[in-house]
Amino acid sequence: AQSVTQLDSQVPVFEEAPVELRCNYSSSVSVYLFWYVQYPNQGLQLLLKYLSGSTLVKGINGFEAEFNKSQTSFHLRKPSVHISDTAEYFCAVSGFNTNAGKSTFGDGTTLTVKP
Amino acid sequence: EAQVTQNPRYLITVTGKKLTVTCSQNMNHEYMSWYRQDPGLGLRQIYYSMNVEVTDKGDVPEGYKVSRKEKRNFPLILESPSPNQTSLYFCATAPTFSDTQYFGPGTRLTVL
Repeated sequence: AQSVTQLDSQVPVFEEAPVELRCNYSSSVSVYLFWYVQYPNQGLQLLLKYLSGSTLVKGINGFEAEFNKSQTSFHLRKPSVHISDTAEYFCAVSGFNTNAGKSTFGDGTTLTVKP
Repeated sequence: EAQVTQNPRYLITVTGKKLTVTCSQNMNHEYMSWYRQDPGLGLRQIYYSMNVEVTDKGDVPEGYKVSRKEKRNFPLILESPSPNQTSLYFCATAPTFSDTQYFGPGTRLTVL
């Protein structure tokens, strides 16, 4: 079984401030890790992913995330946010081996960037 | 242009009336999946398919059926819809199960 916990349901920040969206996961097997973003009234699109290799992953729009295996976390960060970053963000895991094909998403974090 | 299309985009129906939501992709992807999105619950996987004729249950398969007779199509069937299936449904595709998923535009279903 696998699960994802996004620790903050809503994160309000001011423009140009740094932000961290937190994600913890659990799984009985190794997983691949993803962050997706959903802008209002749209589908989801990929921000970044971790499959293997360097634990610091850079994505689109200045976002990055760090995979921490010992803490089973994959927190998303951006050093300076813009109004246009206002959206809902989802952390997701895809299992392999016995969980191959199963995708589990967190409940989402709503990021609101204020002027 | 690479596309994932879903039809219909909006549907209002009544309890018990069978319906099908279609999903089609033109990217030759092996992996396809259906999700439902409900407020505060994120996306929950309904069914997925690793390839043609290979389907498996996700976390919330009750009340749904799928088929994968050809690579490009992965329809979601609700044989007897109920109000608790009112939701926003997304189809997603990926080259393989470990790759980035590409999402369709969503289908908003209301069951009265």
